[in-house]
Amino acid sequence: GIQVEQSPPDLILQEGANSTLRCNFSDSVNNLQWFHQNPWGQLINLFYIPSGTKQNGRLSATTVATERYSLLYISSSQTTDSGVYFCAVEPWGNEKLTFGTGTRLTIIP
Amino acid sequence: GAGVSQSPSNKVTEKGKDVELRCDPISGHTALYWYRQSLGQGLEFLIYFQGNSAPDKSGLPSDRFSAERTGGSVSTLTIQRTQQEDSAVYLCASSSSSGGSSDTQYFGPGTRLTVL
Repeated sequence: GIQVEQSPPDLILQEGANSTLRCNFSDSVNNLQWFHQNPWGQLINLFYIPSGTKQNGRLSATTVATERYSLLYISSSQTTDSGVYFCAVEPWGNEKLTFGTGTRLTIIP
Repeated sequence: GAGVSQSPSNKVTEKGKDVELRCDPISGHTALYWYRQSLGQGLEFLIYFQGNSAPDKSGLPSDRFSAERTGGSVSTLTIQRTQQEDSAVYLCASSSSSGGSSDTQYFGPGTRLTVL
């Protein structure tokens, strides 16, 4: 099956810093989503981004489908950004998400 | 509007008992998914329903696990003769995708199952 790798596994930053999270995947995809899992376990959609670039406030994401990777950018980090960020992909013809192992982000005041 | 809801939020049971977990998808979403998140295993797919089509059960870990979706809406995941390794958070998601096309999957808050 498709492999999804996220890096770094852990990231600790000072409030106000910027960060880049990476997701590599091993095959062509029909769907790629970024999620933030908050401390209560809720998976919150950030982006649906099988290709291209999207921005939402301090967050933006870029997926380069031909090179099989996606990047999530967080600017001016806040403590509420802490949590685990997951990348999940849906291969063509396979309508279920395969999740990466996540990046645990900790923002220190 | 209302998101995906799941009940119960927490369930503690004894080994060997059966449990039922419920998912109410977003109204109008034809696709419904069950995933589980356990320590050391990450998030894994269990089962997928699309409209009236036969479900994709390829992720179910054993025949103790089953799921149904009534009237194309509410779904119930049943685990029979629970084992300690079934302890996990069970997550439901729904999507407006319609077989062959993809769309955003929206997740519920999950049910935390603990098997003693």
